[in-house]
Amino acid sequence: EVQLVESGGGLVQPGGSLRLSCAASGFTFSSYWMHWVRQAPGKGLVWVSHINNDGSSTNFADSVKGRFIISRDNTKNTLYLQMNSLRAEDTAVYYCGRDYSGFDLWGRGTLVTVSS
Amino acid sequence: QSVLTQPPSVSGAPGQRVTISCTGSSSNIGAGYDVHWYQQFPGTAPTLLIYTNNNRPSGVPDRFSGSKSGTSASLAITGLQAEDEADYYCQSYDSSLSGSWVFGGGTKLTVL
Repeated sequence: EVQLVESGGGLVQPGGSLRLSCAASGFTFSSYWMHWVRQAPGKGLVWVSHINNDGSSTNFADSVKGRFIISRDNTKNTLYLQMNSLRAEDTAVYYCGRDYSGFDLWGRGTLVTVSS
Repeated sequence: QSVLTQPPSVSGAPGQRVTISCTGSSSNIGAGYDVHWYQQFPGTAPTLLIYTNNNRPSGVPDRFSGSKSGTSASLAITGLQAEDEADYYCQSYDSSLSGSWVFGGGTKLTVL
């Protein structure tokens, strides 16, 4: 089955770190650009970060630049998001998405809550 | 505030036609970047509804259509059905500053 499954979310204190994972299956992961998109409770979708298919190019939203790191391991078919210096405003459901003429495949998301 | 502007809400009766606008600028839609549309039901992940301005993925009814002109795009839904009640988002790419993918703020469709 073609799918993306996120994991690694949870409760973290402000200033803390968390690493999200997105496991891909059912397709050739290494052929696709990938993204992280987040959605704060009751709010809209916000693009967070992008990585190209071989990991040599990355982009970040201004709100996370310098704090978040995106990476991928094509041998493990897994996308990662290392989140550092977390703030309350980073609280959201984080989705990974496959880029193919739009974000054509999404995971179910993982909830990150930043609170003391 | 989102780079792409959508109305917060639209509504229509069953069977009617509704449209959702997505207004951008010369650095995104107006620059020729493609527009994609997503449908999201409460508590679930978004799904791709329209890709590359006016194309439907397999399984999406032809009641849904997309268009793009100048710095704006639109999603049209004809023959409105109760199950169409959801949030809808447009998305494109913006070339300003370092470049980024951008979403509209989302539109809540209510079927009366």
